Amino acid sequence: GIQVEQSPPDLILQEGANSTLRCNFSDSVNNLQWFHQNPWGQLINLFYIPSGTKQNGRLSATTVATERYSLLYISSSQTTDSGVYFCAVAMDSNYQLIWGAGTKLIIKP
Amino acid sequence: DTEVTQTPKHLVMGMTNKKSLKCEQHMGHRAMYWYKQKAKKPPELMFVYSYEKLSINESVPSRFSPECPNSSLLNLHLHALQPEDSALYLCASSHPSGDRGGYEQYFGPGTRLTVT
Repeated sequence: GIQVEQSPPDLILQEGANSTLRCNFSDSVNNLQWFHQNPWGQLINLFYIPSGTKQNGRLSATTVATERYSLLYISSSQTTDSGVYFCAVAMDSNYQLIWGAGTKLIIKP
Repeated sequence: DTEVTQTPKHLVMGMTNKKSLKCEQHMGHRAMYWYKQKAKKPPELMFVYSYEKLSINESVPSRFSPECPNSSLLNLHLHALQPEDSALYLCASSHPSGDRGGYEQYFGPGTRLTVT
């Protein structure tokens, strides 16, 4: 089955720093989502981005479907950005999201 | 409105209890999901309902019983659970696979379940 790998597994930054999180996947996908899970467990949709580039405030994402990777950029980090960032993909018309293991981000004040 | 609501937020139950988790969405989505998430792991799919019919059951033990009474509501009935069932239970919804709207999944805040 399709494999999803996220890197780095852990990232510790000072407030104000920029970061890039990566998601590699092993097959063609029709769905790719980035989520932020905050310390209280809430999974927040960041981007639905099977291809192309999107921006939302300090966050942006790019998916290069032909090369099977996606990048999540966080600029001017804030302590509220702390948590786990998950990438999840699905193939064709499949309901099943295949999840990466996540990147745990800690932003220090 | 992109909100999925879940109740209760926290639940502590004994191994002989019967309880239910509830999920509601008003986004017009016709696919709804239950996930289980253990600490430091990604969510694991349990069930998928599409147009109020059970579409996927990921070999979940029968002590978990899902129900979809209408297109906006999803329940998970719990009975005779084990301590290892303690986890965060997440509900999600999306347009059904293949619909024009795609199938971006939206998640509720979860119910944190502790089985004693």
